[in-house]
Amino acid sequence: GAGVSQSPSNKVTEKGKDVELRCDPISGHTALYWYRQSLGQGLEFLIYFQGNSAPDKSGLPSDRFSAERTGGSVSTLTIQRTQQEDSAVYLCASSLTGQGKNEQFFGPGTRLTVL
Amino acid sequence: GDSVTQMEGPVTLSEEAFLTINCTYTATGYPSLFWYVQYPGEGLQLLLKATKADDKGSNKGFEATYRKETTSFHLEKGSVQVSDSAVYFCALSDGTGRRALTFGSGTRLQVQP
Repeated sequence: GAGVSQSPSNKVTEKGKDVELRCDPISGHTALYWYRQSLGQGLEFLIYFQGNSAPDKSGLPSDRFSAERTGGSVSTLTIQRTQQEDSAVYLCASSLTGQGKNEQFFGPGTRLTVL
Repeated sequence: GDSVTQMEGPVTLSEEAFLTINCTYTATGYPSLFWYVQYPGEGLQLLLKATKADDKGSNKGFEATYRKETTSFHLEKGSVQVSDSAVYFCALSDGTGRRALTFGSGTRLQVQP
């Protein structure tokens, strides 16, 4: 597709359940990012992938959060044992790599609601 | 650490009014600066950017100038339209090679006809 796509668009889950969120970046973009947008915290960086490796995981809030990227393309963000404070919109972005190429293109997000 | 501070919203203007949304930053190195816009029900879109001091980014009638001396990147538009109603986010990518964007808290703009 032309842009970054994310699925599902909405996810409602019960406290304690695990969830997986998927991101398909723009074809050819080697860098992929996950952010979280919540009312109390604004837009927060979670993790950055370059290819299949994650040189920056500094934004993951706890060890319940993990992410992987395969084939230099699709990425999955997994939240284990979800808590109500995990409720937020999870945004994925992708970009090219190189000097002056940090223009990040965002997907529409996955709205996660933990009951 | 890096930080971005934006003026509190909402900002309510009449159509054709002049818009300024203030943004100041603290960063390591020489950051690149961005304005993103989020229209109702849509995802974040890059509005404009500037990568070095005194650069002016512009798009869709919006402008922002990278002012290193005042560490600012204020967003301006000479004549706003109802369709400009959205949330505007100032962001930076610091100059150390860290690729994560640091965002401001966002400013909601409401333009009334």
